[in-house]
Amino acid sequence: KAGVTQTPRYLIKTRGQQVTLSCSPISGHRSVSWYQQTPGQGLQFLFEYFSETQRNKGNFPGRFSGRQFSNSRSEMNVSTLELGDSALYLCASSLAGGVSEQYFGPGTRLTVT
Amino acid sequence: GQQLNQSPQSMFIQEGEDVSMNCTSSSIFNTWLWYKQDPGEGPVLLIALYKAGELTSNGRLTAQFGITRKDSFLNISASIPSDVGIYFCAGPNGVDSNYQLIWGAGTKLIIKP
Repeated sequence: KAGVTQTPRYLIKTRGQQVTLSCSPISGHRSVSWYQQTPGQGLQFLFEYFSETQRNKGNFPGRFSGRQFSNSRSEMNVSTLELGDSALYLCASSLAGGVSEQYFGPGTRLTVT
Repeated sequence: GQQLNQSPQSMFIQEGEDVSMNCTSSSIFNTWLWYKQDPGEGPVLLIALYKAGELTSNGRLTAQFGITRKDSFLNISASIPSDVGIYFCAGPNGVDSNYQLIWGAGTKLIIKP
């Protein structure tokens, strides 16, 4: 069974640009959560999508948005990039959003210059 | 926002030594999760705890859910080189499906050569 995949793995963007990251969950999983990870900060929850609907949202500005497609694949978008957006963006999938069943992808490393 | 305090920040140990780390919260949690993250990978769930006082093992790893429900501990016995990585505690903030995982900043385990 294939794991969670994220594309691209690495990305370099310039301040002010926008970026779209993609996450393909494990087959059959309907929940996708997104996290931002910066050194020494742990993981910060961005949002969770379940059956194409945003079910939970963390404390991030509106520049961060996401969506989920009917096949459960999810994308997150960051507009008007700032230097502080440089981070590892992780997505996790689970069958129904259960706390103990999140499987993480390898992440997308975003660098904003 | 709500934070989990994880300590120590890093540990330098000799192969074969036992390791202890802990996580504390200012509020009560109903679930405690321990993850490990290797370089270039997403976190992997090690142990999940659901009940105050619960003690659960996974091989050489043992985790405990503190009786106050505000802390948890992870022990690794007889450490080996592949134990190197960052260990995170996490707990759900919310009720039922309306939750988000709150994460500690991680404990980095380094084995002295």
